[in-house]
Amino acid sequence: DAGVIQSPRHEVTEMGQEVTLRCKPISGHDYLFWYRQTMMRGLELLIYFNNNVPIDDSGMPEDRFSAKMPNASFSTLKIQPSEPRDSAVYFCASSLGSSGRIYFGEGSWLTVV
Amino acid sequence: DAKTTQPTSMDCAEGRAANLPCNHSTISGNEYVYWYRQIHSQGPQYIIHGLKNNETNEMASLIITEDRKSSTLILPHATLRDTAVYYCIVGGYAGGTSYGKLTFGQGTILTVHP
Repeated sequence: DAGVIQSPRHEVTEMGQEVTLRCKPISGHDYLFWYRQTMMRGLELLIYFNNNVPIDDSGMPEDRFSAKMPNASFSTLKIQPSEPRDSAVYFCASSLGSSGRIYFGEGSWLTVV
Repeated sequence: DAKTTQPTSMDCAEGRAANLPCNHSTISGNEYVYWYRQIHSQGPQYIIHGLKNNETNEMASLIITEDRKSSTLILPHATLRDTAVYYCIVGGYAGGTSYGKLTFGQGTILTVHP
């Protein structure tokens, strides 16, 4: 299996622009997670889905952030409008059932200037 | 979720066992202990998890105290490639449906020296 696939790997954008991060989970996995990592705050869970349904979005920082999972093989995390403080590594992860064994992608490195 | 406490950093000589401690004194009876690690510039990687009994897999061993208030991750023969940040996490309720919200702390930076 190719693992969790994220795109883009790196993105530099200007403040105010819309950013869309994409994720393809491991086939057959029913949980999908979006995490954000910064030096200051560490690794934070933003939102997670079970069977394409958002279960907990309490970690989403504000209304500028939105996440969707239209089907079992694709999810997006959108930031509109982006701000410099959104600069971080965004990880997508997936898992099968409630094992707690979560597989992470390589991350999308976002820089907002 | 219960909070965990880990040392900020540890060193280990290559080929020796690395023993990484974790305190989780507020763990509830049905919460698992998970260990993940993150090598620089990569996504976190699952290592092992357990509920009450000690666990071993191809990567590591997990020793959980009888009162479950602390645990130790053991890398039996550390290599340079084991240099990483190691996260001890408590969560994922056994037998329940509240699983999913694994909260990562600051972890322990393990440096393996030649």
